[in-house]
This record gives sequence, C-alpha cells and structure tokens, in this order.
Amino acid sequence: EAGVAQSPRYKIIEKRQSVAFWCNPISGHATLYWYQQILGQGPKLLIQFQNNGVVDDSQLPKDRFSAERLKGVDSTLKIQPAKLEDSAVYLCASSLRGSYGYTFGSGTRLTVV
Amino acid sequence: GIQVEQSPPDLILQEGANSTLRCNFSDSVNNLQWFHQNPWGQLINLFYIPSGTKQNGRLSATTVATERYSLLYISSSQTTDSGVYFCAVGRSQGNLIFGKGTKLSVKP
Repeated sequence: EAGVAQSPRYKIIEKRQSVAFWCNPISGHATLYWYQQILGQGPKLLIQFQNNGVVDDSQLPKDRFSAERLKGVDSTLKIQPAKLEDSAVYLCASSLRGSYGYTFGSGTRLTVV
Repeated sequence: GIQVEQSPPDLILQEGANSTLRCNFSDSVNNLQWFHQNPWGQLINLFYIPSGTKQNGRLSATTVATERYSLLYISSSQTTDSGVYFCAVGRSQGNLIFGKGTKLSVKP
C-alpha cells in the first residue's frame, strides 16, 4: 500500500512570509495528525483530525497556524506569518483507528530565515 | 500532562553488540509505541506494545504497564540500526506524546 505522502520535502522562507504544507494519508485511514519536530527533540502534536473533524488542537498556535482536512482525506497545514522559531520538520501521520496502523510521512523540513 | 523519559540519551556500539533502551512514563497509558527515526528522518513504527512482550527479528520490546516503563532490546546490532529511537505514549484518542529519544550509533 502507498504510504503517507507529504509535499514539499524542503522549504526555505523569510520570517513573516506564509507557507503551506500538504499531506495525503494512507487510503482508508480516518485519523490524520500533524506533528512538529524541532531539531534534537521528539515530535510534538499540533492537531489531530478524525475524518474531517478536529479532535485535538490544544497545542496548535492558532494565531499563526491553521489546518484543514476537507472531505476527510488530504490535509493542509498553513503558517502565516512565519517566525524564526517555526523552523522544524513538519510530520504528517495517519492511523486506521485510534493508534492502530500509525504511519508517518517523510516530513517537510522548514527553514525560516 | 504525561511525561516520557528515555535513557540513555546517546549510545555508541560496535557492530554485533547488544543494547537495552529504556522508557519511563509518569501516568497510566493504554498506548505505547516504539519508533526508529533513520538518518534521513523517516519515522518507522517498530512496536505497538501497551503491555507484555513482542519480538520482531533482532528487536524485542517489553512493557510493564503497572510499573510505567518499557524496554527495547536490540541484539547483534548492525550499522543500519543507527538513528534515533523514540518511545511514545498515549491514551484512547490516538495522539502520542514522544520522549526525547535515544540516539544510537553503531560502528563497523
């Protein structure tokens, strides 16, 4: 089966610019997650979707980050405006139900200069 | 929130050696997973192990939920085992809380 697809693979932007990341989960996986991984740390959850509804966005900086999952399939994460501290790898993951079949994409490495 | 502590933070081994990685967590969980992040950044799910023992080839894991810890064993290590090993825990919703990881370097 195809894995979790993410694009772009790398992105460099200047601070205060906006950026968007795209994720296509494994077919049939109802749950989709966005994680932020800062260099040297473990991934931290930003937002969890169940189909096209938000389950948990308690750690999403809502003044600058937004995410949507239209039609319960692919998802977009946006940052506007970006700050230097947003430099990180943004990982998308999906699971069949609960934590069963948890699979990560390759991530998008964002550098804010 | 739940705290996850992994030890050791760094580990250097010669090829063929065995190792044990530890994960302690601060509260009861019904979900515990081990992941390997390879040098290119890809996270691979190794085990879903909220309790008990599982084995997959040279890797095995044990979780003692009542004592809030899990162990990952790597036997006969190979250079391809290098990378960062993460323990992640959670409850019923599915989102995971990750530890800071153990960075493993296997030398030929």
